[in-house]
Amino acid sequence: GAGVSQSPSNKVTEKGKDVELRCDPISGHTALYWYRQSLGQGLEFLIYFQGNSAPDKSGLPSDRFSAERTGGSVSTLTIQRTQQEDSAVYLCASSPDRAQYFGPGTRLTVT
Amino acid sequence: SQQGEEDPQALSIQEGENATMNCSYKTSINNLQWYRQNSGRGLVHLILIRSNEREKHSGRLRVTLDTSKKSSSLLITASRAADTASYFCASLADRGSTLGRLYFGRGTQLTVWP
Repeated sequence: GAGVSQSPSNKVTEKGKDVELRCDPISGHTALYWYRQSLGQGLEFLIYFQGNSAPDKSGLPSDRFSAERTGGSVSTLTIQRTQQEDSAVYLCASSPDRAQYFGPGTRLTVT
Repeated sequence: SQQGEEDPQALSIQEGENATMNCSYKTSINNLQWYRQNSGRGLVHLILIRSNEREKHSGRLRVTLDTSKKSSSLLITASRAADTASYFCASLADRGSTLGRLYFGRGTQLTVWP
C-alpha cells in the first residue's frame, strides 16, 4: 500500500521567500507529525495533529512557521520569509496509534 | 530538554559482530521505539517496547527497557554491511500536555564493515 508521501523532495529558495511543504499521510491515520532535521542531528519536533483536536504547536521555532491539516488528511507546512537557518530536511510522519510512519522528507535549502 | 540521548554517537564494527546501542530518556513513557534512518531521509520503524515490558525480540533485533533507570538498549546480532545506518530511539510520553509526542534522541551512526 501507499506510504507517506511528501512534496517537493527538494526545494531551493532564496532568503526571504515563502515556501510550502506538503505531506500526504497514510489513509486512515489520525495523527500527523512534522519534524525538522539538520545535517547530522536528531529530529526536532515541530507540530502534531491528532484527529479533530487543536494541534500541538509547541515545537514551532518562530511565528514564521505554520501548518494546516485539511479534512484530517493532507498537511501543509508553510515557512514565511525563509532564513538560511531554516535549511534542513523536513520530515512528516503519520500514525494510526503509536508507531510512526515517515515520509521521505523534503530537503529545503535557503540561499 | 525532554529529548533522550543515545550512546555511542558512532559505532564501527565488522560484519558478523554484534552491535549494541544505548538510549536514555527523561519523561514518563507509554512506550519506547527504535527507528532506523538511511542517508538522512525518512525513518523506518523497527521495534516498539511498552513500558510494562522488559525485553522484546524481532529477528536479529533485541530491545531491553529499564524504566527505573530510564534507559533502553538495542542489540543487533550478527551484523551485516546493510545494517549501516543511523539508529534513533524515541520515547512516547504518556501524560500531560506532551501526550502523544515522540521524543527522539540524536542517534547512533552504525557502520558495519564487510
